Amino acid sequence: DAGVIQSPRHEVTEMGQEVTLRCKPISGHNSLFWYRQTMMRGLELLIYFNNNVPIDDSGMPEDRFSAKMPNASFSTLKIQPSEPRDSAVYFCASSLSFGSYNEQFFGPGTRLTVL
Amino acid sequence: DQQVKQNSPSLSVQEGRISILNCDYTNSMFDYFLWYKKYPAEGPTFLISISSIKDKNEDGRFTVFLNKSAKHLSLHIVPSQPGDSAVYFCAATGSGNTGKLIFGQGTTLQVKP
Repeated sequence: DAGVIQSPRHEVTEMGQEVTLRCKPISGHNSLFWYRQTMMRGLELLIYFNNNVPIDDSGMPEDRFSAKMPNASFSTLKIQPSEPRDSAVYFCASSLSFGSYNEQFFGPGTRLTVL
Repeated sequence: DQQVKQNSPSLSVQEGRISILNCDYTNSMFDYFLWYKKYPAEGPTFLISISSIKDKNEDGRFTVFLNKSAKHLSLHIVPSQPGDSAVYFCAATGSGNTGKLIFGQGTTLQVKP
């Protein structure tokens, strides 16, 4: 099993540019999560989907952030326009089914640097 | 508002000794707690969990203790090994089985040979 796949692994962009992060969950997993890791706040949940439907996006920091899941095998997190304070590591995770007690499997993350 | 807090950013212990990582939470509705481990350039991986109906759960060298009255949990690693050097995240969930995990800031453990 390939695990959760994220791309790109590293992204460097300039302030004001659009950034798109991509995620392929583990095949057969029905829930998908986007997290952001910073030194100050640790791992923050941004948004999560169940069966491709967004369930809770209360963690999305601003309207500049948007996420989609057009099918069971692909999700994107977009930042437009990007700002230096968006610099962080962004993780995607998936779990077999919906529910807090199901193990979440994380991808390797995308390290975003906004100059 | 940080509902799950790991107040020690880092911890250093000698190989063979015990490592104790601490975590505090504020939400009394949390009923399930987890520890994840993260190596550099990798995503976090699940390590061990505990339900609020228990006060201890053990898995090999790893034991998690839960003190509900103090809203505190800890992860004990005995004996510590250099390969345990990583960032450890505490997480909590509950209040409706929403699938939502609340993570702490993480503690970096260094085990010295």
